[in-house]
Amino acid sequence: DSGVTQTPKHLITATGQRVTLRCSPRSGDLSVYWYQQSLDQGLQFLIQYYNGEERAKGNILERFSAQQFPDLHSELNLSSLELGDSALYFCASSVEARNLETQYFGPGTRLLVL
Amino acid sequence: AQKITQTQPGMFVQEKEAVTLDCTYDTSDQSYGLFWYKQPSSGEMIFLIYQGSYDEQNATEGRYSLNFQKARKSANLVISASQLGDSAMYFCAMREGDSGYSTLTFGKGTMLLVSP
Repeated sequence: DSGVTQTPKHLITATGQRVTLRCSPRSGDLSVYWYQQSLDQGLQFLIQYYNGEERAKGNILERFSAQQFPDLHSELNLSSLELGDSALYFCASSVEARNLETQYFGPGTRLLVL
Repeated sequence: AQKITQTQPGMFVQEKEAVTLDCTYDTSDQSYGLFWYKQPSSGEMIFLIYQGSYDEQNATEGRYSLNFQKARKSANLVISASQLGDSAMYFCAMREGDSGYSTLTFGKGTMLLVSP
């Protein structure tokens, strides 16, 4: 158990809908990262937050947004969902935002868009 | 060019044998970190081991060791005394450290199957 929690574990929804994925980092970690894992694209970095502020953006679609709250938990919002958004979404956390820190991953949220 | 290359899509090993999973990387940075993660069929990503580019010794964590050959730009994971529970996907990843922000870049993974 990495100490990172994600809810829900599974999510099934329809195209055009909006969902929110939630992540709680390890105790003491200030940095949260979101990743998408799909069969065709592999593991891709989406976005990072550090202590409530957006730190970096990766291959995140405009239909997706995220935020980190004062208690350091983070939410990833996916809207106008398409079939291709079906994937495993991971949250990871690290203590700071330094490049060479180890990131610890949560169990993931498996999203299926029908 | 791909930053992380894992050339073995799948590997088979018998229980109690050692196995090496290959990883080569590409960077022009002097400072970087190499990571290995394990993803069992349940889906979670489990951190296994880390090697910094300036670390002189190869990293070890229990049955896992990282065979770091800087000149060859390779960071192979060695699992000694394989167990059935080692069956999983294994991902090599790198994060560069020299200039500005960098993201953690993953290879495509190697599926390891351990047989009794």
